[in-house]
Amino acid sequence: DQQVKQNSPSLSVQEGRISILNCDYTNSMFDYFLWYKKYPAEGPTFLISISSIKDKNEDGRFTVFLNKSAKHLSLHIVPSQPGDSAVYFCAAIANDYKLSFGAGTTVTVRA
Amino acid sequence: SAVISQKPSRDICQRGTSLTIQCQVDSQVTMMFWYRQQPGQSLTLIATANQGSEATYESGFVIDKFPISRPNLTFSTLTVSNMSPEDSSIYLCSVVDGSGANVLTFGAGSRLTVL
Repeated sequence: DQQVKQNSPSLSVQEGRISILNCDYTNSMFDYFLWYKKYPAEGPTFLISISSIKDKNEDGRFTVFLNKSAKHLSLHIVPSQPGDSAVYFCAAIANDYKLSFGAGTTVTVRA
Repeated sequence: SAVISQKPSRDICQRGTSLTIQCQVDSQVTMMFWYRQQPGQSLTLIATANQGSEATYESGFVIDKFPISRPNLTFSTLTVSNMSPEDSSIYLCSVVDGSGANVLTFGAGSRLTVL
C-alpha cells in the first residue's frame, strides 16, 4: 500500500519559471517530510525537509509547503534552472528513520 | 555528510545466481539501511542492517532471499540470492546523516540486471 503518492510522473517547465511538485500521503502518523533529488546513475540527495509542526520551509530557491489537514505537501522551485532537471522524490517518516517514498516526478527544465 | 561507496555500480547476472553488494561508509554510523528501486517505482526499504546482530527486515523481504551482514559500523553487504528477472533493480545503501535529523544519505546505488 503506497502511503506516499506523487501523482504527476513528469513535469516540464521553462527556465526561469516556477516548478511546483505535489505529494500526498495517507499515514497520519508521518511527522517529518523530505524531498530528495536524483540524477541518473547517482543516489538520491537530500534537498529540503519540513517538520509537521510547520507549514512552510524555505531554502534559497526551494520552498516546501505542508497542509496537514489535506495530507498534502508541495515543493516550489523558483526560478527553475536547467540543472534542476532530475527526478524528485517526496518522502515521509513516522517516529523512526524509515523513509516511505513516493514514485518520483521527473522534472525537465527547458531552456 | 557521510560519503558512501557501493560496489558494484552495475552488473548483469544470470538467473539462479547470487550477487553480493558492498557498502562502505567513510565514518562510523549507527543506522544503515538497504533500499530497492524497481524500474519506474519508488524506493522501498528492504531492511535495517544492525551492527552485531541480525538485520531487521520489512514486510515482504526475507533473510533467505536478502541476507545482510554488518560486521562493523562502517561496512555492510547485501546479497541477492537465487536471482530472477524480477530482482532487476537498483539497490541502494543509506545511512543516517549526523548533520541533520531524519536525513538519510544514499550511496550511488548498484544497478542489477538479471537475465
